[in-house]
Amino acid sequence: SSELTQDPAVSVALGQTVRITCQGDSLRSYYASWYQQKPGQAPVLVIYGKNNRPSGIPDRFSGSSSGNTASLTITGAQAEDEADYYCNSRDSSGNHPGYVFGTGTKVTVL
Amino acid sequence: EVQLVESGGGLVQPGGSLRLSCAASGFTVSSNYMSWVRQAPGKGLEWVSVIYSGGSTYYADSVKGRFTISRHNSKNTLYLQMNSLRAEDTAVYYCARDRRGFYGDYDYYYYMDVWGKGTTVTVSS
Repeated sequence: SSELTQDPAVSVALGQTVRITCQGDSLRSYYASWYQQKPGQAPVLVIYGKNNRPSGIPDRFSGSSSGNTASLTITGAQAEDEADYYCNSRDSSGNHPGYVFGTGTKVTVL
Repeated sequence: EVQLVESGGGLVQPGGSLRLSCAASGFTVSSNYMSWVRQAPGKGLEWVSVIYSGGSTYYADSVKGRFTISRHNSKNTLYLQMNSLRAEDTAVYYCARDRRGFYGDYDYYYYMDVWGKGTTVTVSS
């Protein structure tokens, strides 16, 4: 199956901008979706498709993609954005119509 | 309100079986694609299985042949039958509504927009 690689951890000062990246061959064929997960809670969808936000997700979250890399950007990070973030895409390997999640990035807001 | 509620988790011995349930409200399970995703303690998310609205089912290699996804339309409930359980199956299991859209010809996108709170499965002797 495919793999999606993320940096394990990043930190950002309150109010500043942070970009989280996700790399993998499947991203050449499929858009990434992004999920925020806080400790003890279920994941929450924050970005999908080219750059779509579900209702209720602040517009400081945005997504982009180029080649085999997808990015999630938080512009003006808030304390409540501290969480783990996972990318996800369809699995492009073989005939496997499943999904693959990224390794996850822990975002710390300083 | 659109909601998913998992149940059925617990402690089971290696080699044992367990059936997880995921009750949906606010939408129809059989009209949607539905996935199971798991998270081992301290680890990341792992996709487990999907059932399409047409009934086709697919599995991660790690569970193929041991797990079976199904649904009960009149109960609006998704299931995951887990057999031959191993210690490495220990995880929180989430069900999620699996959506897709498209921008144009063959330009599809996929996402999981509704998640349950999860149910914990522990495989240990």
